[in-house]
Parts: sequence; structure tokens; C-alpha cells
Amino acid sequence: GENVEQHPSTLSVQEGDSAVIKCTYSDSASNYFPWYKQELGKGPQLIIDIRSNVGEKKDQRIAVTLNKTAKHFSLHITETQPEDSAVYFCAASINGAGTALIFGKGTTLSVSS
Amino acid sequence: GAVVSQHPSRVICKSGTSVKIECRSLDFQATTMFWYRQFPKKSLMLMATSNEGSKATYEQGVEKDKFLINHASLTLSTLTVTSAHPEDSSFYICSMPDQETQYFGPGTRLLVL
Repeated sequence: GENVEQHPSTLSVQEGDSAVIKCTYSDSASNYFPWYKQELGKGPQLIIDIRSNVGEKKDQRIAVTLNKTAKHFSLHITETQPEDSAVYFCAASINGAGTALIFGKGTTLSVSS
Repeated sequence: GAVVSQHPSRVICKSGTSVKIECRSLDFQATTMFWYRQFPKKSLMLMATSNEGSKATYEQGVEKDKFLINHASLTLSTLTVTSAHPEDSSFYICSMPDQETQYFGPGTRLLVL
């Protein structure tokens, strides 16, 4: 089955810096790759997603890139702010958003002012 | 985005009792819903896939007789933890796909004493 590896497990940056989180997946049939932000005690919140027919997607300060050949995708956050501090999870599924997601282990991002 | 609610948000119960958790979509319908479990500082692990009008599909290692899932309608799925024990204490989260995106509920914190 699908396996998603995520790194780093923790990431500390200064306010205004960029943050990059990387994930790799094992199943070449995977075609949907969302990123979620989870704050303490809350459910995951979708921040951006990308599908296998697209190489890059951007939404204001957040961007995701996908390399299907290498089977990895990355989250880029620019101009980080303290409120970006949270746990970020990448995920993958083999049949779009309608099937169960396999999650990475998460990255704890800390943005200090 | 779509809204998914869960009730209760947190519950404390005695060992041996049963606890029911509701997952409800407020503004869309879903024939499939997913239940995840998350231990402290860990990632989300898929427990089961709930299908409206049919039996749920459980992941390996998840006891179907212990975690009863009922997908009663296109907007409601329930997870009942039967004869709960302290090791069942966890954060339970449901998710529902809406068109091409999967949305998560806010989670239910279960503490079994």
C-alpha cells in the first residue's frame, strides 16, 4: 500500500523567512496530494492541494510543487508569520479526494517573531 | 469550504462504557465518510471507511465489533466505541469528500478512565 514520508519533523524559522516541507510517496498511482494545517486540539484544515496533472499550485503565500517522476511533493510558505505555527501534514490518495488519505507523520513548524 | 461538525467535542467516560461520536456535514452530502484516530503528537491513522447504506470497511488491526460505524444518511455517520478502555483514549476525527476536496471535522477527544 501507499506510504508517505515527511520531513523535517520539526522546523523553526524566523518571522518573514520561508519554510519548506517535503514529502515522498511510494505508490505511483497516487494522484491527489493535499496539505493540512492542524492547530492544537483541532481538526486538520486543508490549506492547499494538488493533483497529478499539475506541477505547481500557488495560493498567496503558500505554494505546492509536485514531481511525479521522483514521487515527491513540497509545501512552500513564504513570509512566514507567527500564526503559521502549527503542525503540517501532507497526504496522498490513489483516487482523488473521494478515497482515504494516507498521511505523513507531520511537521511541527514554529515561527518566532 | 464545506463544513463538517462532530459531536461531542470531548468526552470523559468510565472504562467499560460505550461512547457514540457523531459526524455531520452541514452543507453537502457524502456517500463516503472516513474515520481517523490520532494519538498525541502522532499522525492521523485511518480506522475505517463508512459507506452510506452498506457496511463499513475497516483497516487492518481495527476491531469492527469494538468500533461500530453507522452511516445512516448522506449527512451523518456515527462511530460508537463499545466497552471503552483506557487504551482507546485518543482524538477521533471524521472526514468527508466534497466534490474534489476532503474536509475534516474538528475532532472528538475521548478520555477513558
